[in-house]
Amino acid sequence: QVQLVESGGGVVQPGGSLRLSCAASGFTFSTYGMHWVRQAPGKGLQWVAFIHYDGNTKYYADSLKGRFTISRDNSKNTLYLQMDSLRPEDTAVYYCAKDVGTYTLGYWGQGTLVTVSS
Amino acid sequence: QTVVTQEPSFSVSPGGTVTLTCGLSSGSVSTSYYPSWYQQTPGQAPRTLIYNTNARSSGVPDRFSGSILGNKAALTITGAQADDESDYYCVLYMGGGISVFGGGTKLTVL
Repeated sequence: QVQLVESGGGVVQPGGSLRLSCAASGFTFSTYGMHWVRQAPGKGLQWVAFIHYDGNTKYYADSLKGRFTISRDNSKNTLYLQMDSLRPEDTAVYYCAKDVGTYTLGYWGQGTLVTVSS
Repeated sequence: QTVVTQEPSFSVSPGGTVTLTCGLSSGSVSTSYYPSWYQQTPGQAPRTLIYNTNARSSGVPDRFSGSILGNKAALTITGAQADDESDYYCVLYMGGGISVFGGGTKLTVL
């Protein structure tokens, strides 16, 4: 069955960088688009970014463009989110999700917590 | 900037029917926005309920249904159960690869 496992979260100082990973299994990773979504403590869900199956096209939430970079390695069945110039308001649980068509987030990982604090 | 709107909270009696909505701060929601719905309980990852307006995700009971009602997308729960008490989020596809979540509705079953 579809399995998505995020990793790479932790505590980072403001202005720092972090790279999240999402290991995928149970499906042909190279044929599906993938999303990142985040959720700040006690807040709602926020869509972060989407990458096409081949990695050639990427989209970002306007508020995050320029600081976050989504990428993938289809040979490793892994999705990434590079986060730079981190701010306290980036503190959140970050989820990866498999797109199942029409930009629907069909399957979700369990999330990884990123805390931006000095 | 267009905002996706949802009721902040709603309550339903066990066995009752409730309809949650998903609108736009400007304009009407249509099937072209490919509305989808997600359920989340505290401490858990979201679960996909409905996609492409009214298609149920695998394993989702048929008491969950999606539709367009007037100028909004809607999620209807028929025969509400105690374990339906969750947060519910809609997502609208805005075009250009961009998706936007609504603020979520906290559903209480009592």
